[in-house]
Amino acid sequence: GQQVQQSPTSLVLQEGENAELQCNFSTSLNSMQWFYQRPGGSLISVFYNPSGTKQSGRLTSTTVIKERRSSLHISSSQITDSGTYLCAMEHPTGYQNFYFGKGTSLTVIP
Amino acid sequence: EAGVTQSPRYAVLQEGQAVSFWCDPISGHDTLYWYQQPRDQGPQLLVYFRDEAVIDNSQLPSDRFSAVRPKGTNSTLKIQSAKQGDTATYLCASSFRTINERLFFGHGTKLSVL
Repeated sequence: GQQVQQSPTSLVLQEGENAELQCNFSTSLNSMQWFYQRPGGSLISVFYNPSGTKQSGRLTSTTVIKERRSSLHISSSQITDSGTYLCAMEHPTGYQNFYFGKGTSLTVIP
Repeated sequence: EAGVTQSPRYAVLQEGQAVSFWCDPISGHDTLYWYQQPRDQGPQLLVYFRDEAVIDNSQLPSDRFSAVRPKGTNSTLKIQSAKQGDTATYLCASSFRTINERLFFGHGTKLSVL
């Protein structure tokens, strides 16, 4: 079964609005990462966040390992934020073995 | 610092043909991963290596897929007899052994099997 569930599947925002992306894990995990992918582009690591809250510019990631969940908050969205956001968990039985969700497709419109 | 390099960028095959994908990880990264990403889905792990050793290849279709990393640096993923269901982007990623290390991905090879 799917070990990593992401929601929503897709999201459309007007420029300037905020977004909250969720990631839930069906098993225990060692750590997790958030990635960003443009259509046809490579995956770029946005956050490595095993626990707690991390911020980078307009992006904030909060991970609660015990509750098996993580969120990515995007504030004051910009058109260039459009793309797919994926989360991945490090499986506890495999050293640095990462499993991915299906992603949230974000479209920011003017 | 150079990133993860993959080649070719695109491949188009007829069913039954063979194809090889090549990956050059970031220098010094001891862990290398191959992922398969079907259209509009998340990447799915096929195999990963620590140096030259296979750590997990349980998701690799062993009858047609093979992967090697003979010197613990570059890696090759080969599909012996491609099927239409193999159509996907094949991604290579690398990382270093220490805890809290990010995955770095290449641009991928987009494979279409007709």
